[in-house]
Amino acid sequence: NAGVTQTPKFQVLKTGQSMTLQCAQDMNHNSMYWYRQDPGMGLRLIYYSASEGTTDKGEVPNGYNVSRLNKREFSLRLESAAPSQTSVYFCASTERGEYYEQYFGPGTRLTVT
Amino acid sequence: SQQGEEDPQALSIQEGENATMNCSYKTSINNLQWYRQNSGRGLVHLILIRSNEREKHSGRLRVTLDTSKKSSSLLITASRAADTASYFCAGGSARQLTFGSGTQLTVLP
Repeated sequence: NAGVTQTPKFQVLKTGQSMTLQCAQDMNHNSMYWYRQDPGMGLRLIYYSASEGTTDKGEVPNGYNVSRLNKREFSLRLESAAPSQTSVYFCASTERGEYYEQYFGPGTRLTVT
Repeated sequence: SQQGEEDPQALSIQEGENATMNCSYKTSINNLQWYRQNSGRGLVHLILIRSNEREKHSGRLRVTLDTSKKSSSLLITASRAADTASYFCAGGSARQLTFGSGTQLTVLP
């Protein structure tokens, strides 16, 4: 099993460009999450999907959109990238909600110039 | 805002010593989880303690939870150089986890 995979690993964007970060899990988990991590800080929740067909905003949703494409895949879209979105983005999944451990992908390092 | 605040922000110890990290959180939780992050990697789950538990052990890890003080501690015994990493606590509630800002642990050989 690959666990949680993310693509791409690195990306450089110019201000105003758009892109989609992809995430997939092969553990048949119900819940999936997108976080961002800025230097010296913990993770902040952007959006999450408690189950297939549902999505909810987290702590820092502005400037992002998400799609739960199916049970396996959860994508994060930046419609018009800004330098403030320079960060490392992590996708995670768990069996259900906050009751179980989360499994994390390796991250996408995004730089917006 | 961050749910948890870890203390200390950075900790440097010699191999073989014990390392203790503390976490305080703000709101009610169903459980408290600890994660480790090696440099440039994703987070890895270490241990979960439920709100009705006071102490839990897993190998060299010991976690305590005091819900009346809204605090938790992580003890790593007999530390090794491979334990060098950042450690994060995360409070679980309302279908999500809220992470603290982390403790950077350095174990010197």
